[in-house]
Amino acid sequence: AQTVTQSQPEMSVQEAETVTLSCTYDTSESDYYLFWYKQPPSRQMILVIRQEAYKQQNATENRFSVNFQKAAKSFSLKISDSQLGDAAMYFCAYRFQSAGKSTFGDGTTLTVKP
Amino acid sequence: ETGVTQTPRHLVMGMTNKKSLKCEQHLGHNAMYWYKQSAKKPLELMFVYSLEERVENNSVPSRFSPECPNSSHLFLHLHTLQPEDSALYLCASSQDLGQLAKNIQYFGAGTRLSVL
Repeated sequence: AQTVTQSQPEMSVQEAETVTLSCTYDTSESDYYLFWYKQPPSRQMILVIRQEAYKQQNATENRFSVNFQKAAKSFSLKISDSQLGDAAMYFCAYRFQSAGKSTFGDGTTLTVKP
Repeated sequence: ETGVTQTPRHLVMGMTNKKSLKCEQHLGHNAMYWYKQSAKKPLELMFVYSLEERVENNSVPSRFSPECPNSSHLFLHLHTLQPEDSALYLCASSQDLGQLAKNIQYFGAGTRLSVL
């Protein structure tokens, strides 16, 4: 069975600085997808960034980038130039191919200090 | 706004009530999902519908009954719930087939359910 582990229940960062959220996962599959979702107080889960396992290049999306280490099964999220609006709970998720095979981590609550 | 709308946003019900949660997606997706989010627990996948056919049912108690009348609508019918069923119920949709398949799930804002 696939598992996703986020070892940091809470993180904080000073505005304009950089923070890295960690995520590790366990799978026996070679082709899968990894995601970071953001859930602000409004509760709506919003996709932040997506990585296909077959791609070696790390995904980037503006201030958000990942460090994908397939052999180590690690998928960390780096947020650069943190903004107050980045404060939220962040979920790492693993998805295998077709519909339904999704596993989420416990989440990391990020606080951004002004 | 992600294109996935859930109603109601909040629901309080007694253990003997019958209520339904509604989810509607305007993205042209062909797969829809129900998740349960409890405090201090990871998201739990409850049901998956692909092309209006249920493809996954993760050992969910029968007091939760999903319905997918078409690819744009998903319901979760609730009856004789327990207090431990109080949680945030999230709906999601994705395009899992064809050229547009990207395996990305788009979530609604959820229904906060309290069972008294």
